[in-house]
Amino acid sequence: GAGVSQSPSNKVTEKGKDVELRCDPISGHTALYWYRQSLGQGLEFLIYFQGNSAPDKSGLPSDRFSAERTGGSVSTLTIQRTQQEDSAVYLCASSFSRGVDGYTFGSGTRLTVV
Amino acid sequence: GENVEQHPSTLSVQEGDSAVIKCTYSDSASNYFPWYKQELGKRPQLIIDIRSNVGEKKDQRIAVTLNKTAKHFSLHITETQPEDSAVYFCAALNTGTASKLTFGTGTRLQVTL
Repeated sequence: GAGVSQSPSNKVTEKGKDVELRCDPISGHTALYWYRQSLGQGLEFLIYFQGNSAPDKSGLPSDRFSAERTGGSVSTLTIQRTQQEDSAVYLCASSFSRGVDGYTFGSGTRLTVV
Repeated sequence: GENVEQHPSTLSVQEGDSAVIKCTYSDSASNYFPWYKQELGKRPQLIIDIRSNVGEKKDQRIAVTLNKTAKHFSLHITETQPEDSAVYFCAALNTGTASKLTFGTGTRLQVTL
């Protein structure tokens, strides 16, 4: 596609429910990243996929968070048993190998846990 | 790992004045330095980048300078306009070994009339 597509754009969920966030990267981009941005804050790294290599999960804040990337393209970030502190904008980005020419970000999913 | 510090956290300038945002990095092997602009409610967008083989790069009203010895790089915006108001993030990457960009904490630029 022309850009990085994320869905849904907004998600309101009840505390304790599971949510899935989707990212469709730019065709041909081998690297995919998930970041979290709380209100007025910076970019918190969550997880990174590069081709068929094992993902870098070093930024995941707890075992309630997981992500997968199927077929080297679409990625899904899953948050289980959501908590209020999970409320944030979840940004996906993609790039050519390891971001050597910068990232292209999606518009994000705004998650609100009530 | 890499650590990127960014200053100031907020910056207010009058329209037409210049704005400078500074970043320092810790990994001397870092060789790629992009800058992102994030308008309110929008996605971060790459506005300019520089690689370690050059000391300065310009694109119209924006420029980036790099001092490898001191391990710092700066974003310069001249003749600021209200549409320059946004949060700006610097980042650094060692393209040889690192797997992801390390971002600064952001600078909120406000251009006042």
